[in-house]
Amino acid sequence: NAGVTQTPKFQVLKTGQSMTLQCAQDMNHNSMYWYRQDPGMGLRLIYYSASEGTTDKGEVPNGYNVSRLNKREFSLRLESAAPSQTSVYFCASSTPGGRDFWSTEAFFGQGTRLTVV
Amino acid sequence: AQKITQTQPGMFVQEKEAVTLDCTYDTSDPSYGLFWYKQPSSGEMIFLIYQGSYDQQNATEGRYSLNFQKARKSANLVISASQLGDSAMYFCAMRERSTGNQFYFGTGTSLTVIP
Repeated sequence: NAGVTQTPKFQVLKTGQSMTLQCAQDMNHNSMYWYRQDPGMGLRLIYYSASEGTTDKGEVPNGYNVSRLNKREFSLRLESAAPSQTSVYFCASSTPGGRDFWSTEAFFGQGTRLTVV
Repeated sequence: AQKITQTQPGMFVQEKEAVTLDCTYDTSDPSYGLFWYKQPSSGEMIFLIYQGSYDQQNATEGRYSLNFQKARKSANLVISASQLGDSAMYFCAMRERSTGNQFYFGTGTSLTVIP
């Protein structure tokens, strides 16, 4: 099973360039997430989507946009990349799992290492 | 206020010894779940163990156990019989009923197992 697939795995951008990080999951999960990971700061939520057609801001949404294209796919777009966006980006998915949805874990993609120069 | 606090940036443990990684959490919601993830140097996030707020017993998964002290709002991960392959970053996370789909992560603890 593929699980959560992110592309690309590595990317170098120049300041001001744009790019889209792609994420797809094949587990029929309703919820999808984008996190960034920086040294000493853990994982910080950028955006999430509770279900197809909905998106919500997380802790650090500035400079990013997202699209929940369908139930499987959730993309993250950097319109004008800045050096501060150099980070490792993780896509994740989870399912409400019925009554006790808070008991279900998140499944992560392999991450995208983005460098903005 | 931080939802999840991990106060140990780095830990060392001798191979075959047990180690405890600390995690405290902050919530007023009676319904929540606590998760631990492992991130080896290769970068992937691996789910290890889950503890629910209504669970009466501490969770265990092989060599991993969770020391859940609800009144103190702590959910420490215990790794028994450490192996070299346990060297990694470990993250504690929480999910609440009230905040719906969000997962809150701590800043992580880097564990090094010494041969």
